[in-house]
Amino acid sequence: NAGVTQTPKFRILKIGQSMTLQCAQDMNHNYMYWYRQDPGMGLKLIYYSVGAGITDKGEVPNGYNVSRSTTEDFPLRLELAAPSQTSVYFCASSPSIYIQYFGAGTRLSVL
Amino acid sequence: AQKVTQAQTEISVVEKEDVTLDCVYETRDTTYYLFWYKQPPSGELVFLIRRNSFDEQNEISGRYSWNFQKSTSSFNFTITASQVVDSAVYFCALSEMNRDDKIIFGKGTRLHILP
Repeated sequence: NAGVTQTPKFRILKIGQSMTLQCAQDMNHNYMYWYRQDPGMGLKLIYYSVGAGITDKGEVPNGYNVSRSTTEDFPLRLELAAPSQTSVYFCASSPSIYIQYFGAGTRLSVL
Repeated sequence: AQKVTQAQTEISVVEKEDVTLDCVYETRDTTYYLFWYKQPPSGELVFLIRRNSFDEQNEISGRYSWNFQKSTSSFNFTITASQVVDSAVYFCALSEMNRDDKIIFGKGTRLHILP
């Protein structure tokens, strides 16, 4: 049982580049989330999805986009990377019983 | 509005000591969930406990215990007989029911257990 899988684990981007952070879960959870964790800080919600085809903004959505074409996948897109997006990104899924299962994270540096 | 405050940024204790991590929350809802997550040095987030607002019973799981007090809006976490493996960042979190499972995290408390 893989749980929540995030790829890549690490990435360095140049300012202005684009990339997609992948997130996949094999638990058939309806709810999926993207968070960012800045150094010494808690997690902040970027986007979330309550099911395939439905996404909504969280606390810090600017500079990001998401899509949810399947239950399993919830990719996060950065269109024009900026140094302020240097962070650790966590994807999570939930079976809607208020327990979120987290991936291992993606460490992104924008230089 | 939801808010979670973990006033202790960093704590260091010697192994085998007991340590309590504080968590104070704010919510206008009467129904909500509270959580604790552990983030060890490896970086993943590990779920520890979920408590709903209707259940104020304290919970014990091995060396871990949680004290939920609605009167003071607190959900404190105690580790007894601490071990080096308990060194991690611990996050308290809050989710108001019927809010699409959105969870608001505190900033975390970094716990160092010294051998």
